Amino acid sequence: KAGVTQTPRYLIKTRGQQVTLSCSPISGHRSVSWYQQTPGQGLQFLFEYFSETQRNKGNFPGRFSGRQFSNSRSEMNVSTLELGDSALYLCASSHLGSSGNTIYFGEGSWLTVV
Amino acid sequence: QKEVEQDPGPLSVPEGAIVSLNCTYSNSAFQYFMWYRQYSRKGPELLMYTYSSGNKEDGRFTAQVDKSSKYISLFIRDSQPSDSATYLCAMSAGSGGSNYKLTFGKGTLLTVNP
Repeated sequence: KAGVTQTPRYLIKTRGQQVTLSCSPISGHRSVSWYQQTPGQGLQFLFEYFSETQRNKGNFPGRFSGRQFSNSRSEMNVSTLELGDSALYLCASSHLGSSGNTIYFGEGSWLTVV
Repeated sequence: QKEVEQDPGPLSVPEGAIVSLNCTYSNSAFQYFMWYRQYSRKGPELLMYTYSSGNKEDGRFTAQVDKSSKYISLFIRDSQPSDSATYLCAMSAGSGGSNYKLTFGKGTLLTVNP
């Protein structure tokens, strides 16, 4: 079974630009969530989508947005990039089974803002 | 006070040692507890998943949850150099959509020396 796939893996953007990151969840998983990982703050929750609806949102400014498509694939967008947005962006997919909810992460997209 | 506290280490042990990793938390709503392993420049890999209090064993790994003390632990027996990684504790509340939002510790960097 294929894991969570994220593209692109590495990208460099200039301050003020925008970026779109893509995530394909594990087949059959309907929940997709996004996290930002930085050395200073660690892993922080951005938002979670289920059946194309945002169910949870973390404490990030409105420049961070996302969406989910009918095939459960998801994208996140960051507009007006700032230097502090440089981070590893991780997508996770999950499935609520009989033993509970297990959440699996992709390899991440490394974003550098210059 | 942060919701989840984890000693960042670094922790350095000889091969074959028993490793103990710990997290404390303040949010009594947390019911699901996870440990992830993250190698350098990779996404987090789910190691252990437990619900509520108790112990869970999987090979060389044992996870313990003490909800009364708001304290969770991961023990690694017969540690190997391949166990060298950052270990992240994560937890979530138990109801509906909030089940999919993980709150992470900052991670403990472990090095197992041959």
